[in-house]
Amino acid sequence: GAGVSQTPSNKVTEKGKYVELRCDPISGHTALYWYRQSLGQGPEFLIYFQGTGAADDSGLPNDRFFAVRPEGSVSTLKIQRTERGDSAVYLCASSLYNLIQDTQYFGPGTRLTVL
Amino acid sequence: KQEVTQIPAALSVPEGENLVLNCSFTDSAIYNLQWFRQDPGKGLTSLLLIQSSQREQTSGRLNASLDKSSGRSTLYIAASQPGDSATYLCAVSTTNDYKLSFGAGTTVTVRA
Repeated sequence: GAGVSQTPSNKVTEKGKYVELRCDPISGHTALYWYRQSLGQGPEFLIYFQGTGAADDSGLPNDRFFAVRPEGSVSTLKIQRTERGDSAVYLCASSLYNLIQDTQYFGPGTRLTVL
Repeated sequence: KQEVTQIPAALSVPEGENLVLNCSFTDSAIYNLQWFRQDPGKGLTSLLLIQSSQREQTSGRLNASLDKSSGRSTLYIAASQPGDSATYLCAVSTTNDYKLSFGAGTTVTVRA
């Protein structure tokens, strides 16, 4: 079946611009996570959705970052006034429920480059 | 804050040798631990998930052990193949939303 998909795969933008990154989770998965991975590092947690609500946004670095999941499926990560330090690979993951045995399935990521 | 460390950062072995990858974490109150594989420019593929009540999990040539009290996990890959070349990431969850804290990974090269 279809896995987690993310669009675009690559995004190049200029400092100060606004960007949106999209995540389509596996159909039927209720939990959705966003992570950010800088070069040579492991992914870092940004935000977690259970259904439509952001249950944990403690990883968002500042108020320029915002994410939504209005219908409990597709999610969009929004970054305002982008900075060069925002350059990274943004990964989305989904899991079936929110249970201890649930594996997180990751998408291929969006590589964001801020010039 | 949970800190996850993976040693070594890189490993190169000849084909056929067994691989041993180490992961340590500072907070032993974890819910589960996952091992992932990441190929260059790609997302993460889950290999094994060990719940906090379990001591090990096996899948094919892969075996992962968990010692919660000492804050350690080890991933064993038997009879390595060139196709096993990738970066292996360890991740733990310490909250009941199961968000993951990752190590920086071990990059493995298996020489033919």
